[in-house]
Amino acid sequence: AQTVTQSQPEMSVQEAETVTLSCTYDTSESDYYLFWYKQPPSRQMILVIRQEAYKQQNATENRFSVNFQKAAKSFSLKISDSQLGDAAMYFCAYQGGSEKLVFGKGMKLTVNP
Amino acid sequence: DVKVTQSSRYLVKRTGEKVFLECVQDMDHENMFWYRQDPGLGLRLIYFSYDVKMKEKGDIPEGYSVSREKKERFSLILESASTNQTSMYLCASSPPPRRQTQYFGPGTRLLVL
Repeated sequence: AQTVTQSQPEMSVQEAETVTLSCTYDTSESDYYLFWYKQPPSRQMILVIRQEAYKQQNATENRFSVNFQKAAKSFSLKISDSQLGDAAMYFCAYQGGSEKLVFGKGMKLTVNP
Repeated sequence: DVKVTQSSRYLVKRTGEKVFLECVQDMDHENMFWYRQDPGLGLRLIYFSYDVKMKEKGDIPEGYSVSREKKERFSLILESASTNQTSMYLCASSPPPRRQTQYFGPGTRLLVL
């Protein structure tokens, strides 16, 4: 079975600085998708960024980018120019050959002014 | 914008009660999901449905059942609520084909006394 590991339960960053959230996964599949979801306090979970495993180019969305290392099964999220609104729980997720998402345990990001 | 709504934000029930959690999406999505979110455990899939009247067990289906009589509505049923079912319940939906973004509802925080 696939597993997703987020080893750091909490991190903090100063406003305007850069922070990297780590995620590793375990799978025997070759075709899959990876996602980062964000859950702000008392608000709905939303997609931050997604990466198709067959694409070598790392996905980017404005201040958010990923470092996808397929051989190492690593999928980290970099947030540049951190803002107070980035404070949230962040979940890494894997989707292989079915509709099912496998989530990591999440990481709480605090942004200090 | 996709909208996924859940019938209650907060719910308090007694042990042994039958509990219904309702989820409605307005974007004609085929796929709908029920997750349970617990601190330190991330999100775990309870059930999902890829079409009306179709359902598949997720990773933790015990103690739960689901109903999907209409495409836009997916209900989670706790046949006899127990204290260990106290949790945050998240509903999500996604369109075909596979590996599309899942859109989440705001969640229902259920307390079973």
